[in-house]
Formats: sequence, structure tokens, C-alpha cells
Amino acid sequence: GAVVSQHPSWVICKSGTSVKIECRSLDFQATTMFWYRQFPKQSLMLMATSNEGSKATYEQGVEKDKFLINHASLTLSTLTVTSAHPEDSSFYICSAQRLAGGTDTQYFGPGTRLTVL
Amino acid sequence: DAKTTQPPSMDCAEGRAANLPCNHSTISGNEYVYWYRQIHSQGPQYIIHGLKNNETNEMASLIITEDRKSSTLILPHATLRDTAVYYCIVRGKAAGNKLTFGGGTRVLVKP
Repeated sequence: GAVVSQHPSWVICKSGTSVKIECRSLDFQATTMFWYRQFPKQSLMLMATSNEGSKATYEQGVEKDKFLINHASLTLSTLTVTSAHPEDSSFYICSAQRLAGGTDTQYFGPGTRLTVL
Repeated sequence: DAKTTQPPSMDCAEGRAANLPCNHSTISGNEYVYWYRQIHSQGPQYIIHGLKNNETNEMASLIITEDRKSSTLILPHATLRDTAVYYCIVRGKAAGNKLTFGGGTRVLVKP
């Protein structure tokens, strides 16, 4: 159990275009999902917390108008990178929070590799 | 959330137990210790978590010292597929249940 999927697994786009990444919890409902970004040889950095039915909470330094997050259902959150530029090229990873045994545990998707030309 | 300290890398032999240490001396009473691992170019995989008691599941065992200032993740019989970066994370509700990833320990399992 606790499977999280992401789509697409990789995407290449031109500078200035927008890219949408989907994150789905396949076998559980998640009121909270998280979006991370990971640059080569670095650790994961939290970008934002996505709550079902409400606005996302962004970490300091993350532009909310550039990284649009929508959490329209208990199993789906989307991240849209608007007007992408080469510096946005990165590995984007989502996680979904599952309550089990009295504690919340985050389960991660496989990641989406974005390359902006 | 409390900061954790892990060795940057370690090697272990295939088939032997791998013991991964983690220091979290500033952990507070309601903070959990979580372990994840990340195999190259994949999303992190949840391994195990605990509060103060030792925990075991099908993947690993977690040993937490009585004062909770350190813990050890034990992979009982390491295989080549266990080669990954292992992250020890202390997480509490005060920080909105966020996970803060440090540098982790890069574990290389050798035949």
C-alpha cells in the first residue's frame, strides 16, 4: 500500500512554456501533499505544502505565481511551472501524507525530470 | 525540527548487516525519527520511523537510544539493491509535519 504516482516521468520543453506535473495517491486519500525540488548532487528542498480544497503554502523563496499548485481532490495534486526557464530544470518530486497507526507518514512519487531548453 | 547528523558515506559488504548511525541531540519529546532512502534518480522510499521504542519492519530495524539523542538504522542483510542515500529526519507537528532533508549517508553495498 501507500503508492504515489507522478506524470510525466520526464518532460522537455522550450523556454517560456508552461508544464504541468500530476501527483496521485493511488491507494489512499491524502489531504496534504508536498512538492519538492532536487538539483543534481543536492538534497531535496521543500517547495510547498498542498492542502486539499485550500491554497498551497509556499516555502520562503519559492515564487507562488511561477509554481502553481492545485489540490482539487483527495488523490490529486498538480504543479504547474509557468513560463519555464532553463534554471527551472530540475527533478520535481511530490509526496502524499497518509495517516496510519496514529502518525502521518509521507510517501513519495517517483519524480519528474524537467528539462527546459 | 531538530537537526540530524549522519556520516556522509559508508561501505558495507553484501550479505552483512549495515548499521547506519544518526545523531539528533536536540530532539524534543514529541518529535519522531524517520528514515528514508533514495536510490539514484528515484523518489525517496519510506523505510521506518519511531518515537522512543525500537521498531522493526520487513525492511529494517530502528534502534533509538534511551535518551533519544541518537538512533541506528539496521539493514539486516544488505544487498546490492540497498545501495542508496539514506536520510535520517526528525519530524514534529510543530513544523507542520514537514520533512527537512539533510545530506544523508551515501551507502555503497559491495559484493
